[in-house]
Amino acid sequence: GAVVSQHPSWVICKSGTSVKIECRSLDFQATTMFWYRQFPKQSLMLMATSNEGSKATYEQGVEKDKFLINHASLTLSTLTVTSAHPEDSSFYICSARSGAQETQYFGPGTRLLVL
Amino acid sequence: AQSVTQLDSHVSVSEGTPVLLRCNYSSSYSPSLFWYVQHPNKGLQLLLKYTSAATLVKGINGFEAEFKKSETSFHLTKPSAHMSDAAEYFCVVSARGYGNKLVFGAGTILRVKS
Repeated sequence: GAVVSQHPSWVICKSGTSVKIECRSLDFQATTMFWYRQFPKQSLMLMATSNEGSKATYEQGVEKDKFLINHASLTLSTLTVTSAHPEDSSFYICSARSGAQETQYFGPGTRLLVL
Repeated sequence: AQSVTQLDSHVSVSEGTPVLLRCNYSSSYSPSLFWYVQHPNKGLQLLLKYTSAATLVKGINGFEAEFKKSETSFHLTKPSAHMSDAAEYFCVVSARGYGNKLVFGAGTILRVKS
């Protein structure tokens, strides 16, 4: 149980284009989903928290107009990187949590390379 | 604020010998503590968690960790390392007073020599 998937697993795009990453909870209802990014040889940094049906809460320093998050259902959240630039290249990982539980279950990550 | 310090960025052990990955935390509230493992180009897998029950926590793959409040530590151990344990390990803290947000340590890369 508690499986989270991400799609795509990797993506290469041209600078200036937008990329959408999906995060799905496969066997539970995720009332809260989180988006992290991980630069090479660094730890995970929380970008934003999204609750189903509400606007996402972004961490300080994360541009909400650049990283659009939608959490329209209890099993799906999407992160759209708009007008991507090479500095947006990173490993993006989502996690999901059900109700008031503390444990977050992580997806396998999406590696984004912007050329 | 919360913070996590993983004292070793790299640990190298021989197969069959014990593993010790050190973690110290800081939190103004009663913390929950987690250890996650990340294999190359993979997502994170939960090894074990402490959430105010027993201070000695047993996890998957033979790992365990002990919560020591007096030392603000949550070190991860395994009696005998296996080659498949080679990965990066993250110690993580959260607390209800901080909205249960996870704060990650910098990670420890475990190398297992044959």
